[in-house]
Amino acid sequence: GNSVTQMEGPVTLSEEAFLTINCTYTATGYPSLFWYVQYPGEGLQLLLKATKADDKGSNKGFEATYRKETTSFHLEKGSVQVSDSAVYFCALSAFNYGQNFVFGPGTRLSVLP
Amino acid sequence: DVKVTQSSRYLVKRTGEKVFLECVQDMDHENMFWYRQDPGLGLRLIYFSYDVKMKEKGDIPEGYSVSREKKERFSLILESASTNQTSMYLCASVGEEKLFFGSGTQLSVL
Repeated sequence: GNSVTQMEGPVTLSEEAFLTINCTYTATGYPSLFWYVQYPGEGLQLLLKATKADDKGSNKGFEATYRKETTSFHLEKGSVQVSDSAVYFCALSAFNYGQNFVFGPGTRLSVLP
Repeated sequence: DVKVTQSSRYLVKRTGEKVFLECVQDMDHENMFWYRQDPGLGLRLIYFSYDVKMKEKGDIPEGYSVSREKKERFSLILESASTNQTSMYLCASVGEEKLFFGSGTQLSVL
């Protein structure tokens, strides 16, 4: 079946540090890939997405590129801020009797001033 | 903006109680989902629905049921709450090929 693996947290960085959160997936067919973010006390919200190989999703300084050859969708940001502290979830969606989503376990990021 | 509203932010119940978690979306989405979120396990799908009165089991349906009498409303029911159902419950609907989430209900079963 479809699955998503992402790096275990927590990740602690200083402000302005470079961020990478690794994500790899297993899926049949051609899934769409997503990064969702959950700020403290809130539900998840979409951060970025990519729908086909070599697509780059970007938002709020975050980027991720859909790499079909390595089945990866790593999240990067060049300079993190304290306000980026949150839990980040990698996810895929595939159409299998309707659209279905599979999530990774989440990576907690803490950014220190 | 799409709004997915969950009726309670925090809920405390006793073992054996019947619990209803309500979710309403305002964008006429057909597909709705219930997930539970536990530390280290991410989101696990409990049930989903693609249409009114239609439901499908997700990965962990045991101990839960759902109801979808109207398109905008998707309810999760714990028939007899147990302590291992203490968790964060997230409702979502699908539009534009992406999920829109409610803010979650933190349920504690004592």
